[in-house]
Order: sequence, then C-alpha cells, then structure tokens
Amino acid sequence: KAGVTQTPRYLIKTRGQQVTLSCSPISGHRSVSWYQQTPGQGLQFLFEYFSETQRNKGNFPGRFSGRQFSNSRSEMNVSTLELGDSALYLCASSLEGAEDTQYFGPGTRLTVL
Amino acid sequence: AQSVTQLGSHVSVSEGALVLLRCNYSSSVPPYLFWYVQYPNQGLQLLLKYTSAATLVKGINGFEAEFKKSETSFHLTKPSAHMSDAAEYFCAVTYTGRRALTFGSGTRLQVQP
Repeated sequence: KAGVTQTPRYLIKTRGQQVTLSCSPISGHRSVSWYQQTPGQGLQFLFEYFSETQRNKGNFPGRFSGRQFSNSRSEMNVSTLELGDSALYLCASSLEGAEDTQYFGPGTRLTVL
Repeated sequence: AQSVTQLGSHVSVSEGALVLLRCNYSSSVPPYLFWYVQYPNQGLQLLLKYTSAATLVKGINGFEAEFKKSETSFHLTKPSAHMSDAAEYFCAVTYTGRRALTFGSGTRLQVQP
C-alpha cells in the first residue's frame, strides 16, 4: 500500500506571497493532520481534517488554513508569507477510530525569502 | 495539558553499544506514547507506540520502550547500535480522542564506528 504523499517536496517563495501544499493520505485513511517543523519551535500541530471537516486546530494564526476533499486528499494554504514560515510541513494520515496512530509523509520544505 | 521532555538533544554511542534515549511525559489523563524516527530530508517513521496495553513495547528495527507510570517515563532502548540507527528521534504524547500529537524537542543519535 502506498504511503502518504506530499507535493511539492520543495518550494521557494518570497514574503507576502501565498502557497498551497498538497497531501494524499494512505488509501482508506480518512483523517489527515498537518504539522510544522522548524529548528526553533520543533514539531507543532496545525490542524486535523476528517470527512472534509476541520476537527482540531493548533495555535497558529488565521493565515494558515486547510481543507479536505471528498477523496480525503488535503491541502493547506499559507497566505501573506513571512520569513518565519520557512519550515518543513508534514502531513500525516490515520484510520478512523485510530487517529492516535499517525503515518507521516516525507514533507514539503518551504523556504520564504 | 500534555508535554514531553526529551533529555539530551544529542547522544553519541559506539556501534554495538546500548542505545538509551530518554523521554518523560506530563499528562493529566492516561497517555498514549509514541517514538518516531526521522532520517535526513525525510518524514517521520513510527517506531513503536504505547496505548495502555503491555507496558513493554517492542517496535521495528530492534527498538523497544517501557512505560513507567511511577516515573512518567517512556525511554527508548536498543541493545546494540548500528550505523544505520543514526537519525533524530522524537517522543510524542496524545490521549484518546485528542487526535493531535505533542512532540518532544528530539534527540539526535550519532553512532560512531
């Protein structure tokens, strides 16, 4: 079974731009979560989606948003990019009823110049 | 609130030596605990998890961890280190229904030949 896939793997943007990252979960997984990883703050939870609804949200500004489609694929969007948004963005998927066990994708490395 | 503390941001061992990576947690409810490994430029791979069954948990690649409630610890061990174990290791905590992981700051394991 294929793992979690994320596209693109690398992105370079400039301050003020917006960006959209994509995540395809493991087949059959309907829960998708997003995490931000930075050297300074470590791994932090952004939000979690299930059945096209956001069920859980971390402590991030409104510039960070996401959505989930009917096929469980998810996107996250960051608007008005800031230098501090440079990070590895990780997507994880899990089975319904077993959301504690999350399987991660390889991440998207976003660099904001 | 939950938190995880990983003691030692860097650990260096010789090949064939015991690996011990420390993790202490804080949780007001029964926790679920996880260890993940991250190789350079990759996502997180689940090594093992504790979800209130057996306190000694065996994972992949010869790793195991023991849940000790009295010590609020979930240390990761491996009897004999291999060069391929060099990576960053993250301890994480959640609880039933939360659906979001709280990660420790990570421990970088170096294996010397």
